[in-house]
Amino acid sequence: NAGVTQTPKFQVLKTGQSMTLQCAQDMNHEYMSWYRQDPGMGLRLIHYSVGAGITDQGEVPNGYNVSRSTTEDFPLRLLSAAPSQTSVYFCASSLLRGGKLFFGSGTQLSVL
Amino acid sequence: RKEVEQDPGPFNVPEGATVAFNCTYSNSASQSFFWYRQDCRKEPKLLMSVYSSGNEDGRFTAQLNRASQYISLLIRDSKLSDSATYLCVVNTRSNDYKLSFGAGTTVTVRA
Repeated sequence: NAGVTQTPKFQVLKTGQSMTLQCAQDMNHEYMSWYRQDPGMGLRLIHYSVGAGITDQGEVPNGYNVSRSTTEDFPLRLLSAAPSQTSVYFCASSLLRGGKLFFGSGTQLSVL
Repeated sequence: RKEVEQDPGPFNVPEGATVAFNCTYSNSASQSFFWYRQDCRKEPKLLMSVYSSGNEDGRFTAQLNRASQYISLLIRDSKLSDSATYLCVVNTRSNDYKLSFGAGTTVTVRA
């Protein structure tokens, strides 16, 4: 049972570079989301999706794009990396919005 | 004011001890409450939901106090494996099912 698969685990970028964090789930969950976790702060919602073809902004969407072409995949794109985007990123899915979240193993991103 | 606030700790307790900590939330319309556990450098995992009447899951007891707007988690007979950060999560139904996370309470159980 793979659950939520998130790649890469670690990434170092230079300011201005772009990259995509991959997230895939095999539980047929409609709801998927991306969070960032910074020291001393709770997880903050970046973007979320309630189904294929539907995405919406969360609490801290600036500098990030998402798309949901299939139920399984929900990639997060950093358009032009900034040091303020240095963080740990988690992808999560759930059967229902507001229900139990299943998290990927996280990506530690450093932007120099 | 943060929507969900937790004492960051750390709570350092010996094996076998009881440890308890609270989480306060600011929105009185909050509907659902959860405790997640996060081990160092790992993803959060659901520990338990918190029901209005309080609930137990083995050595863990969760309670909700709506009047004072806080939830609590109590761990009895602490094990070394209970060392983790415990995240309080609140679902504000009136705010379109937004989940708000606390920053976490760190518990360290020592031998």
